[in-house]
Amino acid sequence: DTEVTQTPKHLVMGMTNKKSLKCEQHMGHRAMYWYKQKAKKPPELMFVYSYEKLSINESVPSRFSPECPNSSLLNLHLHALQPEDSALYLCASSRTGGGNYGYTFGSGTRLTVV
Amino acid sequence: TQLLEQSPQFLSIQEGENLTVYCNSSSVFSSLQWYRQEPGEGPVLLVTVVTGGEVKKLKRLTFQFGDARKDSSLHITAAQPGDTGLYLCAGGSDSWGKLQFGAGTQVVVTP
Repeated sequence: DTEVTQTPKHLVMGMTNKKSLKCEQHMGHRAMYWYKQKAKKPPELMFVYSYEKLSINESVPSRFSPECPNSSLLNLHLHALQPEDSALYLCASSRTGGGNYGYTFGSGTRLTVV
Repeated sequence: TQLLEQSPQFLSIQEGENLTVYCNSSSVFSSLQWYRQEPGEGPVLLVTVVTGGEVKKLKRLTFQFGDARKDSSLHITAAQPGDTGLYLCAGGSDSWGKLQFGAGTQVVVTP
C-alpha cells in the first residue's frame, strides 16, 4: 500500500458546525503533515507530527485542532471556521521528518465553509 | 525563512516543444524535490535529488541539482498534453522538520 487516503473528498460546513477530516497511511511512515492549499498557490504547512507527537504548529488558529491517534492515522478537527478557511486540505506522510525524504500526499479534502 | 523562487510562474507551449523550469535559492538545501499537481488532486512526487551536481532522468524529464545545492532545474523534452500541471519544487534541510515549497510553475501543453 503506497497511498495516503483522505476522507471525505468534499465537505461543506456552516460556521457553527464541528467536523473532522481523516487521513490514513499504511506505509510505515513516521511523519505526517497537514497542509492547506488555496487555488493556484503552493501548499502551506499547518502541522507536523513526528512519531505521533506534534512537532510543528505553524501558528494555526485554534479552530483547527490536529490529532494523531496512532502511527497510521491523522485527524484534523474543525470548529467555528470562517469562509476564508475554504480551501483544499492535504495530508501527507514521509518516512521521517526533516524534508529529506519525499512526501506522499493524499488527494485532499475540498472544504467549503458557508 | 529560506525562500525558493520558481520561474517562470506560467508556461504555455505546444505539444512536442521543450521546456525548462527553474528553482533558485540563496540558501543551501540538503535535498530538493519536484512534484506535479493536477487540479483537485494532491501533489505527486517526481524526484528527490540530494547530491550537488546530481542529474536524474525520468523518461522525458531531466532534473538537475546545482553544484552548490542552492538551485535546481526541471527540463521536459517533447512535451505532451499529459505533462500539463502545476510543478512545485521543495527544499529540505537537516535542521528543519519541514519542506520549503516554491510558488509553483503552471505548465499548459496544448495539442
